Amino acid sequence: DTAVSQTPKYLVTQMGNDKSIKCEQNLGHDTMYWYKQDSKKFLKIMFSYNNKELIINETVPNRFSPKSPDKAHLNLHINSLELGDSAVYFCASSQSTGVILFGSGTRLTVV
Amino acid sequence: GESVGLHLPTLSVQEGDNSIINCAYSNSASDYFIWYKQESGKGPQFIIDIRSNMDKRQGQRVTVLLNKTVKHLSLQIAATQPGDSAVYFCAETPIPRQLTFGSGTQLTVLP
Repeated sequence: DTAVSQTPKYLVTQMGNDKSIKCEQNLGHDTMYWYKQDSKKFLKIMFSYNNKELIINETVPNRFSPKSPDKAHLNLHINSLELGDSAVYFCASSQSTGVILFGSGTRLTVV
Repeated sequence: GESVGLHLPTLSVQEGDNSIINCAYSNSASDYFIWYKQESGKGPQFIIDIRSNMDKRQGQRVTVLLNKTVKHLSLQIAATQPGDSAVYFCAETPIPRQLTFGSGTQLTVLP
C-alpha cells in the first residue's frame, strides 16, 4: 500500500549500459518528480512533470529522460551510464503545489 | 544561485531533551517551506510545512518557526526520542513544483 513506489531498490550495472527505474504513485497526484541524492546526502531535483508541463533541471545530462505512460507513472531512463551517475534516485509526487511525497529510493551503482 | 543552507551539519541531544534544527534560506521569493526527515535507507518523510504568511506552526511534538526578516527557518522537536535520529532537511519552493533542499542536519539522540 506504499503511496509512491519505485523499482528496483538496488541497481548495479556497468558503464555504458542503458537502464530504467520505474515509479508509480497511487495517490491520484497530478505531478511527479525525480530527485538525485549524492553521497553527501544532497538532494537535487532532476525533473518535475505533470500532464501539461515537463520541467527539466538544466544541469541534468540529456542521457537522462523521464517517460510518463500515464498520470500514475513516471519512469526514468538513463543512457550510456557513467561512474558519476552512481547515487540514490528518488521518485516523488504531489497534488499541484501541495506536499511532495517521496518513494523509498533506488540505489544505482555504476561499475 | 539561490541556496538553502543549514547552520550545523550534526546535532547530538540527550533523549528527552528538546532539539532545535536551524535553516537559513536566501531566496526571498520562497513562500512555502517544508521539513523532511530521512532515516537511513529510506526516502525523505514529510514532517511539517509552513507558508510565508505564518510565523509558527505546530504539529505533534514538532514546531516550525519562520522568520522572514532574517530568512531563517527552524524545527523544534520536543522530548526527543531515539526514533527521531535521522537526517533532517529543510526545503523551499520559490517556484511551484521546484522544491530546493538544504544540505541536511544529522540528528543523533543519545541515551
